[in-house]
Amino acid sequence: GNSVTQMEGPVTLSEEAFLTINCTYTATGYPSLFWYVQYPGEGLQLLLKATKADDKGSNKGFEATYRKETTSFHLEKGSVQVSDSAVYFCALRDTGFQKLVFGTGTRLLVSP
Amino acid sequence: DTAVSQTPKYLVTQMGNDKSIKCEQNLGHDTMYWYKQDSKKFLKIMFSYNNKELIINETVPNRFSPKSPDKAHLNLHINSLELGDSAVYFCASSQEPASSGNTIYFGEGSWLTVV
Repeated sequence: GNSVTQMEGPVTLSEEAFLTINCTYTATGYPSLFWYVQYPGEGLQLLLKATKADDKGSNKGFEATYRKETTSFHLEKGSVQVSDSAVYFCALRDTGFQKLVFGTGTRLLVSP
Repeated sequence: DTAVSQTPKYLVTQMGNDKSIKCEQNLGHDTMYWYKQDSKKFLKIMFSYNNKELIINETVPNRFSPKSPDKAHLNLHINSLELGDSAVYFCASSQEPASSGNTIYFGEGSWLTVV
C-alpha cells in the first residue's frame, strides 16, 4: 500500500539555520507529493507540491524536489525564522486515488 | 472569504451525547473529505464524497455518519460520543481527477473534546 515516512521530531534550530526535513514514500502508481504546514492552534495549509519526477515545489523560501530514484521529497529552507515554528506534514496522492496519505508530521521549533 | 469553512471550531461535550460538525466549501469542488487528527497529530482519512456520493469509508465506527446534501456541503454527525472520539476533525475539498495532482484544501479544523 501507499505510505509516507517522515523524520521524527522535534527539530530544534536557531533562527537563520538551514532546515531539512526528510520524507520518503512508497506508492504503487505515479503519485503527486505535497508538504502541508500546521501552525499552532490552526488548520492545515498547503505549503508546496510537485506532481511528477524532478519537479521542484517552492513557496515562502521552502523547497522540495520530487526524486523518483530515491522515492524522496525532502523539505528544505535556507534560513528559518521563529515564525516557521509549526508541524510539517509530507503527503502523497496516488494516481486514481482521491485521498491524501500523510506522514506522521515533524514538529519544527525555531528559537531566536 | 474562507474557502473551506467548518463549524463549530471548538466543541466540548459529554460522553453519550450526539453532535454534528458542519462543513461548506465555496471553491466549486466536486469532492469533499473528513480527516481525523489524533492527539499525536496523526492524520487519517475517514470519508470522502464525490458529487454527493460516498466513495471512501475507512473503517470508521458506524456511530459516525457523514451527510452530503449537495456537493458544497459535507456534514459529520457523531452518535453516542466516546472519550476516544476526542480529536481534531478536518473537512477538506478538491477538484478531481486526482491524477492531475489537484490540491486538497483543508478547513481550520474542529477541536472536539469528549468529557
